[in-house]
Amino acid sequence: EVQLVESGGGLVQPGRSMKLSCAASGFTFNNYDMAWVCQAPKKGLEWVATISYDGSSTYYRDSVKGRFTISRDNAKSTLYLQMDSLRSEDTATYYCARLTSYVMDAWGQGASVTVSS
Amino acid sequence: DIQMTQSPASLSASLGETVTIECRASEDIYNGLAWYQQKPGKSPQLLIYNANSLHTGVPSRFSGSGSGTQYSLKINSLQSEDVASYFCQQYYDYPYTFGAGTKLELK
Repeated sequence: EVQLVESGGGLVQPGRSMKLSCAASGFTFNNYDMAWVCQAPKKGLEWVATISYDGSSTYYRDSVKGRFTISRDNAKSTLYLQMDSLRSEDTATYYCARLTSYVMDAWGQGASVTVSS
Repeated sequence: DIQMTQSPASLSASLGETVTIECRASEDIYNGLAWYQQKPGKSPQLLIYNANSLHTGVPSRFSGSGSGTQYSLKINSLQSEDVASYFCQQYYDYPYTFGAGTKLELK
């Protein structure tokens, strides 16, 4: 069974950093591109970033470029999102998702991030 | 960026009814479109990909259609477990973009 389990969320002050992790199991992690998607409270979904199966390529939405870094450790089957210079508008639930031919076909349960003083 | 305009924003329907949700892209996305279902407090789940392909395990009452810039999701014979929000998403080009969502309720 495919499982994606996010961790590392919580309350953080504006301007500070936070790192999310997503532990994958039930599939061969290093065969798949992976993504992060966020959802602000009571709002819609927003794609955040994508990383290729081998980590060689990354893509970001404009609002997080230069502040967020997506990475992966294939030996640990784990995806990461390093979030720096956090802003109140980054407050959201962050989901990791597996990409199969560009489609998000498996999602984690989400990690809640609240940016507030 | 490709804008995805989804309608309606909310929808109320009776059990057994057929409902249709529309999604319009700001440019041709060449069937690079997925539909997701999100139940309250849960993560999104893939329903349809490539505009009209049913994801594994999804009931056949769900179907997708469309091409170019216009796409739709149809739910035949609405069931109580279909109460959820539905989102379209284009993956033809980065940044991936989602529609604003349709909240489906029972009448």
